[in-house]
Amino acid sequence: EPEVTQTPSHQVTQMGQEVILRCVPISNHLYFYWYRQILGQKVEFLVSFYNNEISEKSEIFDDQFSVERPDGSNFTLKIRSTKLEDSAMYFCAKRTSGKDEQYFGPGTRLTVT
Amino acid sequence: KNQVEQSPQSLIILEGKNCTLQCNYTVSPFSNLRWYKQDTGRGPVSLTIMTFSENTKSNGRYTATLDADTKQSSLHITASQLSDSASYICVVSGGILGGSQGNLIFGKGTKLSVKP
Repeated sequence: EPEVTQTPSHQVTQMGQEVILRCVPISNHLYFYWYRQILGQKVEFLVSFYNNEISEKSEIFDDQFSVERPDGSNFTLKIRSTKLEDSAMYFCAKRTSGKDEQYFGPGTRLTVT
Repeated sequence: KNQVEQSPQSLIILEGKNCTLQCNYTVSPFSNLRWYKQDTGRGPVSLTIMTFSENTKSNGRYTATLDADTKQSSLHITASQLSDSASYICVVSGGILGGSQGNLIFGKGTKLSVKP
């Protein structure tokens, strides 16, 4: 199974700034996911994306978050106005339709100062 | 409330020894249960996925069991190696089989350290 790659590996930003996390490249997969993991805590589901639309989202995924597939391959997570509590590892995952397996990327460590 | 509880929280064993990690869940409806291995600072990597009808599944030195009646699962690691040092996460999918899987419920994981 091809690797899921994410960029950047580490992002440092100031509170209130916008950040865009990228999941690249994506091919032949229909389901995409974003998760976050605050240091020392469990992985939490943010959003699932199917057929270029959000299919499910958690209560964490509020109005400051958005996802899109701007060029048909990259899958991005945007945080409009970062808060200190947004500091976490953000993982992208992909899945093929009809299969249960999700493949996770290496993550982006977001640090909000 | 849908929850996944794992024990122990952490475990230290000597290289070559076996160990068993536990997972209890209260997730309904239940679709499948997964075990992931997560190295520090990396994304989770799937070890096994079991549906309601499966009692055991192996992947090399990893063997997972599932008792859907008692809602318990275990992950047994045989002949541990230094590279087994990682967090092992139990994850339960509570959605419809083949659905979006947006409701994966993660446990906090068991941090395993294998010492030489």
